[in-house]
Amino acid sequence: NAGVTQTPKFQVLKTGQSMTLQCAQDMNHNSMYWYRQDPGMGLRLIYYSASEGTTDKGEVPNGYNVSRLNKREFSLRLESAAPSQTSVYFCASRRNTGELFFGEGSRLTVL
Amino acid sequence: GIQVEQSPPDLILQEGANSTLRCNFSDSVNNLQWFHQNPWGQLINLFYIPSGTKQNGRLSATTVATERYSLLYISSSQTTDSGVYFCAVEESGSARQLTFGSGTQLTVLP
Repeated sequence: NAGVTQTPKFQVLKTGQSMTLQCAQDMNHNSMYWYRQDPGMGLRLIYYSASEGTTDKGEVPNGYNVSRLNKREFSLRLESAAPSQTSVYFCASRRNTGELFFGEGSRLTVL
Repeated sequence: GIQVEQSPPDLILQEGANSTLRCNFSDSVNNLQWFHQNPWGQLINLFYIPSGTKQNGRLSATTVATERYSLLYISSSQTTDSGVYFCAVEESGSARQLTFGSGTQLTVLP
């Protein structure tokens, strides 16, 4: 039982390049989330998916797209990376009773 | 949107000391969780506590929803307790979005 798995764990991009962060959970949770964490700040919600086939914007969605591929997988795409998107990205899934479980994070640097 | 404030922002303790971390929120909530982010960056769910009191070993948490605050107690602190403690709340009617506070950085010295 791996919980929430994110790939890659580290990535360096040049400005303008694109990439996709992958996330998968094996806990059969309906809701999944993408957060970003910047130094000295808490986590800010980028996008979430309340159930398979639905996605909604969070607090900071600009510059990102998401896909809820199936119940297990929720990917985050940067179409044209910018230095302001340098951050640590966390995927999470949520039990129906409310508890949130996080992946180990993906550290992205945009030069 | 809902505001979440955590205090203190930084806390340094000697091993064995007790501490209380506070989370204030600006509106009614139907979900409140405490997380620990260890020095390696992993986020661990400590408590799901929209109201009442829970205990897990040396840690306990109390949420008084009517007064819009929650407290996390750490007793007999250990160096492994070091890290950042986050409070996160779901505003009533917010469609399952959790809003995080900016955290309390705890350092436990040996």
